[in-house]
Amino acid sequence: GAGVSQSPSNKVTEKGKDVELRCDPISGHTALYWYRQSLGQGLEFLIYFQGNSAPDKSGLPSDRFSAERTGGSVSTLTIQRTQQEDSAVYLCASSLNGPDTGELFFGEGSRLTVL
Amino acid sequence: AQSVTQLGSHVSVSEGALVLLRCNYSSSVPPYLFWYVQYPNQGLQLLLKYTTGATLVKGINGFEAEFKKSETSFHLTKPSAHMSDAAEYFCAVSGRGDDKIIFGKGTRLHILP
Repeated sequence: GAGVSQSPSNKVTEKGKDVELRCDPISGHTALYWYRQSLGQGLEFLIYFQGNSAPDKSGLPSDRFSAERTGGSVSTLTIQRTQQEDSAVYLCASSLNGPDTGELFFGEGSRLTVL
Repeated sequence: AQSVTQLGSHVSVSEGALVLLRCNYSSSVPPYLFWYVQYPNQGLQLLLKYTTGATLVKGINGFEAEFKKSETSFHLTKPSAHMSDAAEYFCAVSGRGDDKIIFGKGTRLHILP
């Protein structure tokens, strides 16, 4: 596609359920980032994938959060046993290479509401 | 490790007045610095970036920013505000050799008629 695609755009779930959020980056982009955006907190870094290198998971807030990127393309962010504080907009971004050579292209985000 | 501090979660300026949005960074290695903008109900887009070379960087829509190493700052300016500049602005930093990009908490810019 022409841009970064995220699904679902909206997800309402009950506390304790697992959710999966999908990101389809721009074709050919080697770098993929996940961020969490909540009111007053800006963009919180979660995880970064670059090519075939091991991902930088240093931003994942707890072991309930995990992400994978299959075949260097599509990525899935999984949140297990969701809590109300997980409610936020989850943003995915991709770039052609590292930040010195390109800009981040963001998707529209997946809004997660945990009841 | 890198971090970003944006002073002022909300800034209001009159139409035609100078826009100044402040950003200070912390980085243990030479930084790459960015400003992104998020217009209402839209995704984030790059305004400008500093990687190497000239410290005064020009971006889209008349915005510019100056990298000042001595002040660890990368403030965003525009000489004359327009109503269409109303948006949320995010400063971001990445360290050379560490491609993780860290964003600040954002500054919402309000333009007064």
